[in-house]
Amino acid sequence: GDSVTQMEGPVTLSEEAFLTINCTYTATGYPSLFWYVQYPGEGLQLLLKATKADDKGSNKGFEATYRKETTSFHLEKGSVQVSDSAVYFCALQREGSYIPTFGRGTSLIVHP
Amino acid sequence: ETGVTQTPRHLVMGMTNKKSLKCEQHLGHNAMYWYKQSAKKPLELMFVYSLEERVENNSVPSRFSPECPNSSHLFLHLHTLQPEDSALYLCASSQEGTVYNEQFFGPGTRLTVL
Repeated sequence: GDSVTQMEGPVTLSEEAFLTINCTYTATGYPSLFWYVQYPGEGLQLLLKATKADDKGSNKGFEATYRKETTSFHLEKGSVQVSDSAVYFCALQREGSYIPTFGRGTSLIVHP
Repeated sequence: ETGVTQTPRHLVMGMTNKKSLKCEQHLGHNAMYWYKQSAKKPLELMFVYSLEERVENNSVPSRFSPECPNSSHLFLHLHTLQPEDSALYLCASSQEGTVYNEQFFGPGTRLTVL
């Protein structure tokens, strides 16, 4: 079956540091890939997405590239802020399916 | 109201109580979902209603009962819950059949079972 594997957290960084959160997936075909973010006390919200190989999703300074050859969708940001502290979820959805598969989430803590 | 709303935001109940969680989506979507989010555990999909068809996770206990009277409203009826059912319950909606089909989440109901 489909699966998503994320690096375990928490990831702890100082403000303005470079961020990478690894995500790899297992799925048949060509799923759409997503990163969601959950701020404290809130539900998940979509951060960025990509639907085909080599697509790059970007939003709020975050980027992720759909790598079919390595089945990966790593999240990166060049300079994190304290306000980026949250839990980040990688997810996939197969074409024609309305049921997503989520990773376990990675907590990010950014210190001033 | 915009997006996905959930009420109540917080709920404390005893094991013998009966309560219901409510979710409403204002996005014109045709699929709605219930998730359970517990500390240190993966996000758990409980139920899906798509075009009014129900899909359920067979591991969800029968003390949780969903209801979807129309494409905009979703309920989760709770009865004789256990302390381990304490969690954040998230509702989501999506538009089935679109290319991206991303999920739109509500803020959740924080449930505590005493």
